[in-house]
Amino acid sequence: DTGVSQDPRHKITKRGQNVTFRCDPISEHNRLYWYRQTLGQGPEFLTYFQNEAQLEKSRLLSDRFSAERPKGSFSTLEIQRTEQGDSAMYLCASSLEPGAGEQYFGPGTRLTVT
Amino acid sequence: AQSVTQPDIHITVSEGASLELRCNYSYGATPYLFWYVQSPGQGLQLLLKYFSGDTLVQGIKGFEAEFKRSQSSFNLRKPSVHWSDAAEYFCALGVWGNEKLTFGTGTRLTIIP
Repeated sequence: DTGVSQDPRHKITKRGQNVTFRCDPISEHNRLYWYRQTLGQGPEFLTYFQNEAQLEKSRLLSDRFSAERPKGSFSTLEIQRTEQGDSAMYLCASSLEPGAGEQYFGPGTRLTVT
Repeated sequence: AQSVTQPDIHITVSEGASLELRCNYSYGATPYLFWYVQSPGQGLQLLLKYFSGDTLVQGIKGFEAEFKRSQSSFNLRKPSVHWSDAAEYFCALGVWGNEKLTFGTGTRLTIIP
């Protein structure tokens, strides 16, 4: 069990550019989650996959955000036309248990939009 | 909608002293409750969880938490803190049938020698 991994760990981009983050969950976990954490706040739920199906999206996930999980393995989160307000830590988590069971978090990708 | 409140933004404790971090929740039924710890620049590590049953739960690193339904609380305790406990602590709530976790705003713990 190598844990949840995320890449890159840090990303600096200019406003208006597109960015893509990758998350590799624990191998046998069929549930995958994305959260966003801004400075001084707790993580906020963005979206959730069960296998390859995206089953829930938060209202925080504007139309500039898209997430995929092809083949139910790794997931990508893309932000188009980044804005300074997108600067945050993007956390990925995975779980084997249904219904808000124990979620295992990755180290996060810190995005800075200049 | 459910919510989690962590009233203390920052707590400073002397090494070796006892610790209690407060967590209050709002939800109409019994939720699932979690405490996570986050070191600087790192992801979250689960300390302990409450699903049902015994209201006093034991976790890793010597932490424990007590679920009190009457007070809608799930406070985290440790009898003697170590310098390595300095971190940000988050209380989180889950609801059966809903996959997301709702987090509090966190409590930053500073340990002084």
